[in-house]
Amino acid sequence: ELKVEQNPLFLSMQEGKNYTIYCNYSTTSDRLYWYRQDPGKSLESLFVLLSNGAVKQEGRLMASLDTKARLSTLHITAAVHDLSATYFCAVDMNSGNTPLVFGKGTRLSVIA
Amino acid sequence: ETGVTQTPRHLVMGMTNKKSLKCEQHLGHNAMYWYKQSAKKPLELMFVYNFKEQTENNSVPSRFSPECPNSSHLFLHLHTLQPEDSALYLCASSQDPRQATNTGELFFGEGSRLTVL
Repeated sequence: ELKVEQNPLFLSMQEGKNYTIYCNYSTTSDRLYWYRQDPGKSLESLFVLLSNGAVKQEGRLMASLDTKARLSTLHITAAVHDLSATYFCAVDMNSGNTPLVFGKGTRLSVIA
Repeated sequence: ETGVTQTPRHLVMGMTNKKSLKCEQHLGHNAMYWYKQSAKKPLELMFVYNFKEQTENNSVPSRFSPECPNSSHLFLHLHTLQPEDSALYLCASSQDPRQATNTGELFFGEGSRLTVL
């Protein structure tokens, strides 16, 4: 059974600071996804990482994937209040028939 | 309309009611999904349909009954629910997950917030 663990689950950070959210998973996979969810809203796709060493950046967010370590990171640079949301990683089991398995999410709060 | 749309956005029902949630995707995808999101719990997969065929039923109680008449529409029929079924129900779609050339990315609707009294 594939398990996906995120840490931290809760993160309060000051504006302007940098931080990293970690996503570990338990079985072989080379496909990983990051989503953002605002309170009461749906999940918005942020990044799709499809190979070992993949790195993608959008604004103040950068995601990377290390399939050998079974680890993805979501790095936040110079946080701003608008980044406050819950961030989920999700992993594909590579079976083609099994949908994504999601982590529990990291609730990020950026404070002034 | 574009993307994935869900109706109703909010639903309050008694335990003896019968209601349905509707999802429609305008992305040309072949696979559709129902997820349940409860407070303090991870996102839970409920059902998967690929080309209108159910490919996954994640041990969901029979009081939830899915229906997929075509690749663009997905319903979740609700009957004799329990208060613990109160949650945000999210519909998603994707390209055929069996095709290795597809990214496997899920596109979510806004969700239907269900409250069972």
